[in-house]
Amino acid sequence: LAKTTQPISMDSYEGQEVNITCSHNNIATNDYITWYQQFPSQGPRFIIQGYKTKVTNEVASLFIPADRKSSTLSLPRVSLSDTAVYYCLVGSYGGATNKLIFGTGTLLAVQP
Amino acid sequence: GAVVSQHPSRVICKSGTSVKIECRSLDFQATTMFWYRQFPKQSLMLMATSNEGSKATYEQGVEKDKFLINHASLTLSTLTVTSAHPEDSSFYICSGARGSSYEQYFGPGTRLTVT
Repeated sequence: LAKTTQPISMDSYEGQEVNITCSHNNIATNDYITWYQQFPSQGPRFIIQGYKTKVTNEVASLFIPADRKSSTLSLPRVSLSDTAVYYCLVGSYGGATNKLIFGTGTLLAVQP
Repeated sequence: GAVVSQHPSRVICKSGTSVKIECRSLDFQATTMFWYRQFPKQSLMLMATSNEGSKATYEQGVEKDKFLINHASLTLSTLTVTSAHPEDSSFYICSGARGSSYEQYFGPGTRLTVT
């Protein structure tokens, strides 16, 4: 089964840009890449989704290289409230099979 | 928009009993709903996928007779854990998806503790 790996933890300071990378070597043609934020004892919250190249929204950017075997979530100017676990999700559904694989998660700790 | 609720938020039950968890999409119609399980300090693991009016598709290793899923309408899916055991204690999270979008909207989760 494909494994989606992330660094276990990252530390940052308020106001800095944070880049979190996810490795997904076995990504399939139909798979999308989605990033979520999760606080303790809560459901994941959608951050951004992409298929290839670069995607940007009001809270983050997502960089996906041409081979799509990895992706990088970029959070500009983090604040203390961004301390959370960040997950990448690789997969697709609706066809003959469903494949949704969450990454191992990265605990981001933002310090003042 | 795209809000998903779960009920109850936490439940404690005795070993051998059954417990039902409800997942509702409040402001959209979820053509597909997903159920995940998350153990402490671990990632989310997909348990099953359900489409309204059809049988759920279970992931490998998930017992369909133990985790009963019903997706009776476009806004409601239920997960029933039958004959619960302490090893079933976990955080159960549902999500809903609409149309052809691959974006999932997650519920707040249900903490199940089996004593």
